[in-house]
Amino acid sequence: DTGVSQDPRHKITKRGQNVTFRCDPISEHNRLYWYRQTLGQGPEFLTYFQNEAQLEKSRLLSDRFSAERPKGSFSTLEIQRTEQGDSAMYLCASSQGFLDSNYGYTFGSGTRLTVV
Amino acid sequence: EDQVTQSPEALRLQEGESSSLNCSYTVSGLRGLFWYRQDPGKGPEFLFTLYSAGEEKEKERLKATLTKKESFLHITAPKPEDSATYLCAVRPSSNTGKLIFGQGTTLQVKP
Repeated sequence: DTGVSQDPRHKITKRGQNVTFRCDPISEHNRLYWYRQTLGQGPEFLTYFQNEAQLEKSRLLSDRFSAERPKGSFSTLEIQRTEQGDSAMYLCASSQGFLDSNYGYTFGSGTRLTVV
Repeated sequence: EDQVTQSPEALRLQEGESSSLNCSYTVSGLRGLFWYRQDPGKGPEFLFTLYSAGEEKEKERLKATLTKKESFLHITAPKPEDSATYLCAVRPSSNTGKLIFGQGTTLQVKP
């Protein structure tokens, strides 16, 4: 297992289209997190899962956004009716427990979304 | 409201010129302060976790310290490969997995 994997790395879409991103966490990690990062800013929390249960959602996660983690393995983040303001890097992270002081969260390389 | 502020926003150093990055935080409680390094186009890479005031951790040329209101990331004799954005984050004391990040400090080390 080489870390957290995200697919695709880049996505360009037209405004109004739906997009879906996938995250494969480190296999033994039971917690999975989604963050959004815009240029020059730190990551902003969107949501997190413990196994298959979605335990917390940010107010940033409008009803156009939905995330799933079927069977507690990989996760998908879908954005419906994309807007230009959705353009950002979408980061996935995973951890065993809330946080391991030796390793923190392990982040993937992200999916960069551009809405034109 | 829980908040993290990093300063400066950008820092240019000559190779070998030591300096410090600041992270000020306001949280209802603190269940950990985290430092990450982020290279362009990549996800953040974990560096340190600090839990209590007075705690210090070191890794190569980096040393992180924590007080009740802020944390410092000291960079001793930096090299060009230390150039990156350094992010600070806190986990509030509530039962959450959420991290609250600062906006980052972009460090450039010139040879």
